[in-house]
Amino acid sequence: GQSLEQPSEVTAVEGAIVQINCTYQTSGFYGLSWYQQHDGGAPTFLSYNALDGLEETGRFSSFLSRSDSYGYLLLQELQMKDSASYFCAVLSYGGATNKLIFGTGTLLAVQP
Amino acid sequence: NAGVMQNPRHLVRRRGQEARLRCSPMKGHSHVYWYRQLPEEGLKFMVYLQKENIIDESGMPKERFSAEFPKEGPSILRIQQVVRGDSAAYFCASSLQGASYEQYFGPGTRLTVT
Repeated sequence: GQSLEQPSEVTAVEGAIVQINCTYQTSGFYGLSWYQQHDGGAPTFLSYNALDGLEETGRFSSFLSRSDSYGYLLLQELQMKDSASYFCAVLSYGGATNKLIFGTGTLLAVQP
Repeated sequence: NAGVMQNPRHLVRRRGQEARLRCSPMKGHSHVYWYRQLPEEGLKFMVYLQKENIIDESGMPKERFSAEFPKEGPSILRIQQVVRGDSAAYFCASSLQGASYEQYFGPGTRLTVT
Protein backbone atom coordinates (compact mmCIF):
# COMPACT_ATOMS: atom_id res chain seq x y z
CA GLY A 1 0.00 0.00 0.00
CA GLN A 2 0.90 3.64 -0.07
CA SER A 3 0.74 6.04 2.86
CA LEU A 4 2.06 9.46 3.78
CA GLU A 5 2.12 10.91 7.27
CA GLN A 6 2.38 14.55 8.22
CA PRO A 7 1.25 16.46 11.31
CA SER A 8 -2.31 17.70 11.12
CA GLU A 9 -1.61 21.16 12.56
CA VAL A 10 1.33 23.42 13.29
CA THR A 11 1.29 26.87 14.91
CA ALA A 12 4.08 29.44 14.71
CA VAL A 13 4.59 33.19 15.06
CA GLU A 14 5.43 35.74 12.42
CA GLY A 15 9.12 35.88 11.64
CA ALA A 16 9.81 32.42 12.98
CA ILE A 17 10.95 29.26 11.20
CA VAL A 18 8.75 26.19 10.94
CA GLN A 19 9.42 22.68 9.67
CA ILE A 20 6.67 20.40 8.36
CA ASN A 21 7.68 16.75 8.24
CA CYS A 22 6.48 14.04 5.93
CA THR A 23 7.17 10.31 6.07
CA TYR A 24 6.03 8.00 3.33
CA GLN A 25 5.62 4.37 2.40
CA THR A 26 5.17 3.62 -1.28
CA SER A 27 5.69 0.68 -3.55
CA GLY A 28 7.46 2.87 -6.10
CA PHE A 29 9.05 6.27 -5.57
CA TYR A 30 10.31 8.94 -7.95
CA GLY A 31 10.29 12.01 -5.74
CA LEU A 32 8.51 14.19 -3.20
CA SER A 33 6.52 17.32 -4.01
CA TRP A 34 5.04 19.97 -1.75
CA TYR A 35 1.86 21.95 -2.42
CA GLN A 36 0.21 24.86 -0.63
CA GLN A 37 -3.55 25.35 -0.37
CA HIS A 38 -5.26 28.44 1.03
CA ASP A 39 -8.76 28.03 2.46
CA GLY A 40 -9.72 25.11 0.22
CA GLY A 41 -8.67 26.95 -2.93
CA ALA A 42 -6.49 25.76 -5.79
CA PRO A 43 -3.40 23.91 -4.54
CA THR A 44 -0.20 25.48 -5.83
CA PHE A 45 3.10 23.72 -6.46
CA LEU A 46 5.98 24.70 -4.16
CA SER A 47 8.86 22.28 -4.70
CA TYR A 48 10.04 18.86 -5.81
CA ASN A 49 12.91 16.70 -4.58
CA ALA A 50 14.04 13.67 -6.53
CA LEU A 51 17.48 13.41 -4.94
CA ASP A 52 18.63 13.48 -1.33
CA GLY A 53 19.40 16.89 0.09
CA LEU A 54 18.05 20.38 0.48
CA GLU A 55 16.47 22.48 -2.27
CA GLU A 56 16.05 26.18 -1.54
CA THR A 57 13.58 28.53 -3.19
CA GLY A 58 13.42 31.90 -1.49
CA ARG A 59 11.95 31.58 2.00
CA PHE A 60 10.94 27.96 1.38
CA SER A 61 13.27 24.96 1.38
CA SER A 62 12.51 21.28 0.95
CA PHE A 63 14.57 18.30 2.07
CA LEU A 64 14.53 14.63 1.13
CA SER A 65 16.18 11.53 2.56
CA ARG A 66 15.30 8.55 0.35
CA SER A 67 16.94 6.07 2.70
CA ASP A 68 14.74 7.27 5.57
CA SER A 69 11.59 7.72 3.42
CA TYR A 70 11.38 11.18 4.93
CA GLY A 71 11.20 14.75 3.82
CA TYR A 72 10.33 18.16 5.19
CA LEU A 73 9.31 21.62 4.12
CA LEU A 74 11.07 24.49 5.87
CA LEU A 75 9.44 27.91 5.91
CA GLN A 76 11.57 30.82 7.08
CA GLU A 77 10.68 34.39 8.05
CA LEU A 78 7.06 33.37 8.41
CA GLN A 79 4.43 35.82 7.23
CA MET A 80 0.70 35.88 7.97
CA LYS A 81 0.01 34.99 4.35
CA ASP A 82 1.81 31.66 4.88
CA SER A 83 -1.19 30.46 6.92
CA ALA A 84 -2.46 27.63 4.75
CA SER A 85 -2.52 23.86 4.39
CA TYR A 86 0.65 22.20 3.14
CA PHE A 87 0.56 18.82 1.44
CA CYS A 88 3.42 16.49 0.70
CA ALA A 89 2.87 14.30 -2.35
CA VAL A 90 4.84 11.34 -3.61
CA LEU A 91 5.33 10.84 -7.32
CA SER A 92 4.81 7.12 -7.39
CA TYR A 93 5.07 4.60 -10.17
CA GLY A 94 2.83 1.60 -10.50
CA GLY A 95 -0.26 0.62 -12.42
CA ALA A 96 -0.88 2.33 -15.73
CA THR A 97 1.36 5.32 -15.08
CA ASN A 98 3.04 7.49 -12.49
CA LYS A 99 0.77 9.49 -10.23
CA LEU A 100 0.87 11.93 -7.34
CA ILE A 101 -0.22 10.47 -4.00
CA PHE A 102 -1.07 13.23 -1.51
CA GLY A 103 -0.77 13.29 2.25
CA THR A 104 -3.66 14.53 4.38
CA GLY A 105 -2.11 17.96 4.83
CA THR A 106 -0.72 20.11 7.63
CA LEU A 107 -2.66 23.21 8.60
CA LEU A 108 -0.18 25.98 9.42
CA ALA A 109 -1.45 28.85 11.54
CA VAL A 110 0.85 31.87 11.69
CA GLN A 111 0.14 34.14 14.63
CA PRO A 112 1.19 37.78 15.05
CA ASN B 1 -2.45 33.86 -19.51
CA ALA B 2 -5.43 31.94 -18.13
CA GLY B 3 -4.81 29.19 -15.64
CA VAL B 4 -6.82 26.02 -15.23
CA MET B 5 -10.51 26.81 -15.33
CA GLN B 6 -13.29 24.80 -13.76
CA ASN B 7 -17.00 25.28 -13.84
CA PRO B 8 -19.29 25.43 -12.14
CA ARG B 9 -17.60 26.51 -8.94
CA HIS B 10 -20.52 25.30 -6.89
CA LEU B 11 -23.03 22.64 -7.86
CA VAL B 12 -26.02 21.41 -5.90
CA ARG B 13 -27.74 18.21 -6.96
CA ARG B 14 -30.46 16.07 -5.44
CA ARG B 15 -29.83 12.39 -4.88
CA GLY B 16 -30.25 10.47 -8.12
CA GLN B 17 -29.45 13.38 -10.43
CA GLU B 18 -26.40 13.69 -12.66
CA ALA B 19 -23.46 16.02 -12.06
CA ARG B 20 -21.22 17.28 -14.86
CA LEU B 21 -18.00 19.03 -13.92
CA ARG B 22 -15.91 20.80 -16.57
CA CYS B 23 -12.22 21.56 -16.70
CA SER B 24 -10.22 23.56 -19.23
CA PRO B 25 -6.48 22.99 -18.82
CA MET B 26 -3.81 25.64 -19.08
CA LYS B 27 -2.98 26.67 -22.62
CA GLY B 28 -0.57 24.20 -24.14
CA HIS B 29 -1.22 21.48 -21.56
CA SER B 30 -2.58 18.20 -22.87
CA HIS B 31 -2.46 16.19 -19.62
CA VAL B 32 -5.41 16.47 -17.24
CA TYR B 33 -5.95 14.93 -13.81
CA TRP B 34 -9.03 14.84 -11.60
CA TYR B 35 -8.87 14.69 -7.79
CA ARG B 36 -11.47 14.54 -5.04
CA GLN B 37 -11.00 16.25 -1.68
CA LEU B 38 -13.14 15.71 1.39
CA PRO B 39 -13.01 18.25 4.27
CA GLU B 40 -9.83 18.00 6.33
CA GLU B 41 -8.37 15.47 3.90
CA GLY B 42 -5.84 15.35 1.13
CA LEU B 43 -6.43 15.10 -2.58
CA LYS B 44 -7.36 11.64 -3.84
CA PHE B 45 -6.34 10.82 -7.38
CA MET B 46 -9.24 9.78 -9.58
CA VAL B 47 -8.22 9.76 -13.24
CA TYR B 48 -5.52 10.91 -15.65
CA LEU B 49 -6.41 11.76 -19.23
CA GLN B 50 -4.75 12.96 -22.38
CA LYS B 51 -6.63 14.23 -25.40
CA GLU B 52 -9.14 11.55 -26.36
CA ASN B 53 -7.47 8.95 -24.11
CA ILE B 54 -7.90 7.74 -20.55
CA ILE B 55 -4.39 6.94 -19.33
CA ASP B 56 -5.12 5.85 -15.77
CA GLU B 57 -8.52 5.56 -14.09
CA SER B 58 -7.40 3.48 -11.13
CA GLY B 59 -8.83 6.00 -8.65
CA MET B 60 -12.28 6.18 -10.17
CA PRO B 61 -15.18 4.32 -8.57
CA LYS B 62 -16.20 1.51 -10.90
CA GLU B 63 -19.80 2.63 -11.13
CA ARG B 64 -21.51 5.94 -11.80
CA PHE B 65 -18.27 7.88 -12.50
CA SER B 66 -16.81 8.56 -15.92
CA ALA B 67 -14.40 11.05 -17.44
CA GLU B 68 -13.51 12.22 -20.91
CA PHE B 69 -11.18 14.70 -22.57
CA PRO B 70 -12.34 15.17 -26.15
CA LYS B 71 -10.23 16.49 -28.99
CA GLU B 72 -12.09 19.79 -28.76
CA GLY B 73 -13.48 21.29 -25.58
CA PRO B 74 -12.98 20.79 -21.88
CA SER B 75 -12.47 17.63 -19.90
CA ILE B 76 -15.68 16.42 -18.27
CA LEU B 77 -16.10 14.45 -15.04
CA ARG B 78 -19.54 12.93 -14.96
CA ILE B 79 -21.23 11.47 -11.91
CA GLN B 80 -24.50 9.68 -12.51
CA GLN B 81 -27.18 9.06 -9.88
CA VAL B 82 -25.35 11.08 -7.25
CA VAL B 83 -25.49 10.05 -3.59
CA ARG B 84 -24.73 12.09 -0.46
CA GLY B 85 -21.28 10.50 -0.22
CA ASP B 86 -20.34 12.17 -3.51
CA SER B 87 -20.42 15.58 -1.81
CA ALA B 88 -16.84 16.87 -2.00
CA ALA B 89 -14.57 19.33 -3.75
CA TYR B 90 -13.42 18.10 -7.13
CA PHE B 91 -10.20 19.55 -8.45
CA CYS B 92 -8.82 19.37 -11.92
CA ALA B 93 -5.11 19.82 -12.67
CA SER B 94 -3.10 19.98 -15.86
CA SER B 95 0.55 19.58 -16.75
CA LEU B 96 2.83 20.13 -19.68
CA GLN B 97 4.64 16.82 -19.24
CA GLY B 98 2.85 13.56 -18.65
CA ALA B 99 2.45 12.12 -15.15
CA SER B 100 4.22 15.18 -13.79
CA TYR B 101 5.15 16.13 -10.23
CA GLU B 102 4.32 19.75 -11.09
CA GLN B 103 0.63 20.12 -11.73
CA TYR B 104 -1.42 23.29 -12.07
CA PHE B 105 -4.73 23.15 -10.27
CA GLY B 106 -8.04 24.80 -10.96
CA PRO B 107 -10.20 26.43 -8.26
CA GLY B 108 -12.30 23.30 -7.85
CA THR B 109 -16.01 22.50 -8.03
CA ARG B 110 -17.82 22.11 -4.73
CA LEU B 111 -20.50 19.46 -5.20
CA THR B 112 -23.26 19.25 -2.63
CA VAL B 113 -25.77 16.42 -2.84
CA THR B 114 -28.99 17.05 -0.95
